[in-house]
Amino acid sequence: GALVYQYPRRTICKSGTSMRMECQAVGFQATSVAWYRQSPQKTFELIALSTVNSAIKYEQNFTQEKFPISHPNLSFSSMTVLNAYLEDRGLYLCGAREWVKAETLYFGSGTRLTVL
Amino acid sequence: GQQVQQSPASLVLQEGENAELQCNFSSTATRLQWFYQHPGGRLVSLFYNPSGTKHTGRLTSTTVTNERRSSLHISSSQTTDSGTYFCAIGANTGKLTFGDGTVLTVKP
Repeated sequence: GALVYQYPRRTICKSGTSMRMECQAVGFQATSVAWYRQSPQKTFELIALSTVNSAIKYEQNFTQEKFPISHPNLSFSSMTVLNAYLEDRGLYLCGAREWVKAETLYFGSGTRLTVL
Repeated sequence: GQQVQQSPASLVLQEGENAELQCNFSSTATRLQWFYQHPGGRLVSLFYNPSGTKHTGRLTSTTVTNERRSSLHISSSQTTDSGTYFCAIGANTGKLTFGDGTVLTVKP
């Protein structure tokens, strides 16, 4: 079956430092990867949508300068949170889809970011 | 943009009771998924169901596209069903818009 592994599961960083999270698709080709942030209040925000061989589309309030994303192949994507501050805390989730089927979005377990 | 409203916000049941979760959305959705989020955060896809009715085990999802609503029915609830259920809709852009979720608590 289709699985998405995301790591680390949780991370703590000091204010102003950066951290990187990675997402691995197993059992399917992750043509499209969406990175979301779930706030402590449980609401979801889409950060960006990445499609292999296409430009990464960032949502309003999110920028490449703050959340650079790499999607080099059909099984791997990574995102970095640069200069993390308190407002960046939350659960970061990567969701991947195989474009041909383009139906179900499969999510990893998420990376929970705590900023001190 | 698209809006997704889920109800109820929270639901407490005794084990064995049935649950009915609702999702209403503001515009036509070509994609609709129901997710279950474990207390630890993992998001599991329950159904991809933009129209019609689908069953799996004790779960049933029914989406009436032209009425912009979907429901998730859980029969004979178990304590392990406790968690948060999200409805998410999208178009062909690949973006999903999530509702605020329904927190389900099933007591033994």
